[in-house]
Amino acid sequence: QKEVEQNSGPLSVPEGAIASLNCTYSDRGSQSFFWYRQYSGKSPELIMSIYSNGDKEDGRFTAQLNKASQYVSLLIRDSQPSDSATYLCAVIPWDQGGKLIFGQGTELSVKP
Amino acid sequence: GAGVSQSPSNKVTEKGKDVELRCDPISGHTALYWYRQSLGQGLEFLIYFQGNSAPDKSGLPSDRFSAERTGGSVSTLTIQRTQQEDSAVYLCASSLAHNNEQFFGPGTRLTVL
Repeated sequence: QKEVEQNSGPLSVPEGAIASLNCTYSDRGSQSFFWYRQYSGKSPELIMSIYSNGDKEDGRFTAQLNKASQYVSLLIRDSQPSDSATYLCAVIPWDQGGKLIFGQGTELSVKP
Repeated sequence: GAGVSQSPSNKVTEKGKDVELRCDPISGHTALYWYRQSLGQGLEFLIYFQGNSAPDKSGLPSDRFSAERTGGSVSTLTIQRTQQEDSAVYLCASSLAHNNEQFFGPGTRLTVL
């Protein structure tokens, strides 16, 4: 079974700070990596996808991928209370037909 | 455009009954996925469709679970003889093709009494 691991959290940051969320994965052949945000009682919402090594920025969000270290991270700049949610790291392993393997999620709390 | 839709949003059933859950993917999306999220558990893959065929059924937890997809669009997940451990949120996602970004529907919350 392929594994995706995340910091267990909860992670608490003050409003305006940078939140850093981390994820490691076990399948070295994985090619596609995603971050989803899930508010309590809601379904996961895709916020970032990344496929190649390096950084990818979208607004206040930056995803970082290091395939050699099998490591993915998400940075949220200028964190807002509305960013408080569970962040799920998901990976598509090489030979798994596109199914997502999820980490357990990191709960983020942004304090005003 | 319209996102993924699922129905019903909530379903309460008695142990031993059969239930059907429906998913309408985003128009034009050829790949469709079913996942399950139990209380306090992570998201668990159930089955994947490419068009109307299901190349990967490896996540179905037992032979009480089945799914079909017709016309390359709507999919139905059927659970026969429901058990209390089937209680969970069942999520459907679709993507343009496999290995692409997946977009989730709102889910169906199933409660088996």
